[in-house]
Amino acid sequence: AQTVTQSQPEMSVQEAETVTLSCTYDTSESDYYLFWYKQPPSRQMILVIRQEAYKQQNATENRFSVNFQKAAKSFSLKISDSQLGDAAMYFCALGTDKLIFGTGTRLQVFP
Amino acid sequence: KAGVTQTPRYLIKTRGQQVTLSCSPISGHRSVSWYQQTPGQGLQFLFEYFSETQRNKGNFPGRFSGRQFSNSRSEMNVSTLELGDSALYLCASSGQGTTYNEQFFGPGTRLTVL
Repeated sequence: AQTVTQSQPEMSVQEAETVTLSCTYDTSESDYYLFWYKQPPSRQMILVIRQEAYKQQNATENRFSVNFQKAAKSFSLKISDSQLGDAAMYFCALGTDKLIFGTGTRLQVFP
Repeated sequence: KAGVTQTPRYLIKTRGQQVTLSCSPISGHRSVSWYQQTPGQGLQFLFEYFSETQRNKGNFPGRFSGRQFSNSRSEMNVSTLELGDSALYLCASSGQGTTYNEQFFGPGTRLTVL
């Protein structure tokens, strides 16, 4: 079975600081993708960042970067220079023939 | 381009009734996936349609069904509603497949079953 685990139900960070959200996954597939999605309160889910499993280089998108450890099946998201607008639910997702989501981490950003 | 739209946004039904939810993908997108989001179970994959064919299906009972039309618009139907079907139903579209391309999500339909 394919699973995605997010062990931090809630995290908080001060504005301008850095925060890391954890995600571990399990799959027997050799070819897969990993995603972080953001769901702001009462707003649509949007893609934050995507990582192809066959690529060793960690993906980055502006202030967002990942630490992809394939052997450990770990895929954490680092948000640098946190902003108030980063407050949201963050979902880690594993993509094979479908998307499997983790339970999410609620991120609060304090001024 | 207009985003993914879902109608209706809110729906209240009673147990035993049936409901149909609609999703219009981004223009040009041929893949539409449906997810159920609840506080207890999180986001769960229902099914995916691509070019009017169901390409993948999650672990939901047969009361949950869907279809896709030639213009890629998709509908999801739930028959014999149960209290546990209360959830936010999200639709997502992508250009090709689901896993290797970014999925664009709609705002969801909030279904309440009384």
